[in-house]
Amino acid sequence: KNEVEQSPQNLTAQEGEFITINCSYSVGISALHWLQQHPGGGIVSLFMLSSGKKKHGRLIATINIQEKHSSLHITASHPRDSAVYICAVRRSFGNEKLTFGTGTRLTIIP
Amino acid sequence: NAGVTQTPKFQVLKTGQSMTLQCAQDMNHEYMSWYRQDPGMGLRLIHYSVGAGITDQGEVPNGYNVSRSTTEDFPLRLLSAAPSQTSVYFCASSYKGSAVALHPLHFGNGTRLTVT
Repeated sequence: KNEVEQSPQNLTAQEGEFITINCSYSVGISALHWLQQHPGGGIVSLFMLSSGKKKHGRLIATINIQEKHSSLHITASHPRDSAVYICAVRRSFGNEKLTFGTGTRLTIIP
Repeated sequence: NAGVTQTPKFQVLKTGQSMTLQCAQDMNHEYMSWYRQDPGMGLRLIHYSVGAGITDQGEVPNGYNVSRSTTEDFPLRLLSAAPSQTSVYFCASSYKGSAVALHPLHFGNGTRLTVT
């Protein structure tokens, strides 16, 4: 069983819909990252969380350390949000090694 | 700032050939790392470095060598390419974290390698 599991693997939605992508992990962590991989292949960091909730524009990330679960929400989704969203966990402070989920492929239809 | 620069973007090798994937960053990041991305699998760590002169193995180090002679550069060497090394390779860098500091990873644009 992978240490980091994402669901769903694939998600197709209409423009404007509220999107939720889930990440569950089975190990103790110091931080969780959400990344976005564009159709062209480039990867950018969206959020780093160690507790609570963060918001950036239409994106919201939450984490529940006790339940070992994080969610990434997209409000008012747009076709440009179409990408693969990747969750990654960091085990301990000062150790930058990350364990990655397999990603959620999101397609937003106009 | 250029960020993280990876070259080449594409490469085709024959089995047994050697090559070096280049990675350079201009952000003075201590931490640099190499990942491979294969269909249906998450990014997997090959090798990493927490500073010049220091390298260590990740999850899948076999068949790859690295060195870190400067803060800026972290090349990945394939000594004798095998078809199993066909993959997309990403270099990433960040500041070294601490108990109170979280830093984002900055990724290069990737190298698509095919070994025939």
